[in-house]
Amino acid sequence: ELKVEQNPLFLSMQEGKNYTIYCNYSTTSDRLYWYRQDPGKSLESLFVLLSNGAVKQEGRLMASLDTKARLSTLHITAAVHDLSATYFCAVRMDSNYQLIWGAGTKLIIKP
Amino acid sequence: DGGITQSPKYLFRKEGQNVTLSCEQNLNHDAMYWYRQDPGQGLRLIYYSQIVNDFQKGDIAEGYSVSREKKESFPLTVTSAQKNPTAFYLCASSIAAPSYEQYFGPGTRLTVT
Repeated sequence: ELKVEQNPLFLSMQEGKNYTIYCNYSTTSDRLYWYRQDPGKSLESLFVLLSNGAVKQEGRLMASLDTKARLSTLHITAAVHDLSATYFCAVRMDSNYQLIWGAGTKLIIKP
Repeated sequence: DGGITQSPKYLFRKEGQNVTLSCEQNLNHDAMYWYRQDPGQGLRLIYYSQIVNDFQKGDIAEGYSVSREKKESFPLTVTSAQKNPTAFYLCASSIAAPSYEQYFGPGTRLTVT
């Protein structure tokens, strides 16, 4: 059974600091996704990582994938208040179209 | 503009009533999904459909039903058999290979009293 674990589940940090959210998964998979959710809103796709060693960056966010370690990271550089949100990672099952979701990391960035 | 629409945004119902949530997409995606999200929780898959006239149960299908008569539409019915239907319901569709990335609608917040 494919399981996805995120940590931390809650993170409060100051503006200007760097931090990393981790996403571990339990079996092989070839696609990993990061989404953002603002309070009361739907999910917005941030990154799709398709291969080992993939790295993608958008503004202050950078995501990477290590399929051998079954680990993805979402790194936040010089955090700003607007990045406050809940971040989800999800992994695609090889056998069908389903995504297995992490529990989400609630990120609060204080001015 | 291409996208996914869900209606209504907010829905209030009395216990014991069935209710149908609408999901429409004009992205020409084959696959569509329904998720449930409870406050402070992650997403749980209710049903998904990879092609018209075919759908599969997800992890929490009990008390729900779907249909997929058209590629663009994937309505979800919350039946009176669903014990705790109050939740945020999200519809998604996905593109094909290589990414299979899922795109989400704005959601429907259902309150049953």
